[in-house]
Amino acid sequence: GIQVEQSPPDLILQEGANSTLRCNFSDSVNNLQWFHQNPWGQLINLFYIPSGTKQNGRLSATTVATERYSLLYISSSQTTDSGVYFCAVETMNYGGSQGNLIFGKGTKLSVKP
Amino acid sequence: DTGVSQNPRHKITKRGQNVTFRCDPISEHNRLYWYRQTLGQGPEFLTYFQNEAQLEKSRLLSDRFSAERPKGSFSTLEIQRTEQGDSAMYLCASSLMGSQETQYFGPGTRLLVL
Repeated sequence: GIQVEQSPPDLILQEGANSTLRCNFSDSVNNLQWFHQNPWGQLINLFYIPSGTKQNGRLSATTVATERYSLLYISSSQTTDSGVYFCAVETMNYGGSQGNLIFGKGTKLSVKP
Repeated sequence: DTGVSQNPRHKITKRGQNVTFRCDPISEHNRLYWYRQTLGQGPEFLTYFQNEAQLEKSRLLSDRFSAERPKGSFSTLEIQRTEQGDSAMYLCASSLMGSQETQYFGPGTRLLVL
């Protein structure tokens, strides 16, 4: 099956710093989403981005589908950005139906004041 | 739009007992998914429904697990004869079938099997 690898696994930043999180995937995808999991376990949607570039405030994401990677940029980080960031992809199965997301192991981000 | 809700939020049970979790999706969403997440890992897919039909099941879903979605609205996930290895966060998500199928997740049910 498809492999999803995220890097780095852990990241410690000083408040105000910028960062880039990377997601590599091993096969073509129909869907790619970035999530932030807060300390209470809630997965919060950041981007639906199977290709192209999107921006939302201090966050932006770029997916280069032909090269099978996606990047999440966090600028001017804040302590509330702390948590685990997951990349998840969806592929077309043999039956043609769309279904489950396959998650990477995440990047644990800690932003220090 | 109240989001995806799950109940209970926490469940502690003894090994061998049966447990049932409920998920209420976003009201107009016709697809519903169950995932399991263990400590330090990303969520892993268990099963998904389109309306009331269960379309896909992971091999992680042993015969002790059963999921239903009667009438295509809320869903239940039952685990029979729980084992300590079932301890995890159980997450539900929903989406609207279409061109951009963003999955929205509920807060999860955290299960501890003693």
